[in-house]
Amino acid sequence: DAKTTQPNSMESNEEEPVHLPCNHSTISGTDYIHWYRQLPSQGPEYVIHGLTSNVNNRMASLAIAEDRKSSTLILHRATLRDAAVYYCILRDVGLNDYGGSQGNLIFGKGTKLSVKP
Amino acid sequence: EAGVAQSPRYKIIEKRQSVAFWCNPISGHATLYWYQQILGQGPKLLIQFQNNGVVDDSQLPKDRFSAERLKGVDSTLKIQPAKLEDSAVYLCASSLTHRPGQGMAGELFFGEGSRLTVL
Repeated sequence: DAKTTQPNSMESNEEEPVHLPCNHSTISGTDYIHWYRQLPSQGPEYVIHGLTSNVNNRMASLAIAEDRKSSTLILHRATLRDAAVYYCILRDVGLNDYGGSQGNLIFGKGTKLSVKP
Repeated sequence: EAGVAQSPRYKIIEKRQSVAFWCNPISGHATLYWYQQILGQGPKLLIQFQNNGVVDDSQLPKDRFSAERLKGVDSTLKIQPAKLEDSAVYLCASSLTHRPGQGMAGELFFGEGSRLTVL
């Protein structure tokens, strides 16, 4: 599976936008870009995913570079509850022999986001 | 909608003892995963089930770890005998199939995890 590179940590002020970068220079044409986050003492939770076009949902926006070798997760107004480890993951779109999703989520160390009041 | 249930939340055992973790996925989710998360690291996949079949167990230390998903619903993960390096949080997750053409992200829903301490 293709690898991603993220900064170990970032800091933000409350109510300011946050841009979390991710490099994935070896991404293949069938890889989707997924973002998950993990709040303290909880399991990871899905944030957003995309293939080529920028995506928006209620939690965040995902900006994908034209060559797909990098992407940025954007939190428009950080809150204290957004303090978490954010993981950028590549997931293959194919199906396995059982008809289920082929690509497993392979987590790196992620970016630890701190939000200051 | 009920989330992924895991138990126990915490377990402390001595090395060479055995332990079992239980997971009940979200109703209707055919895919179930067990991840191991060591402190300071991202989760590492141990095993993936599709219904009651094993899709990927390449990272499962089969000399001491075993997992089953009888009837394609609940799952148990067992460690026997435990080693000090098995101290970690064991996360269970479930998902529908990732079908982007049908607008299905196939996102994983994780439980809160079972924290194991091996002394």
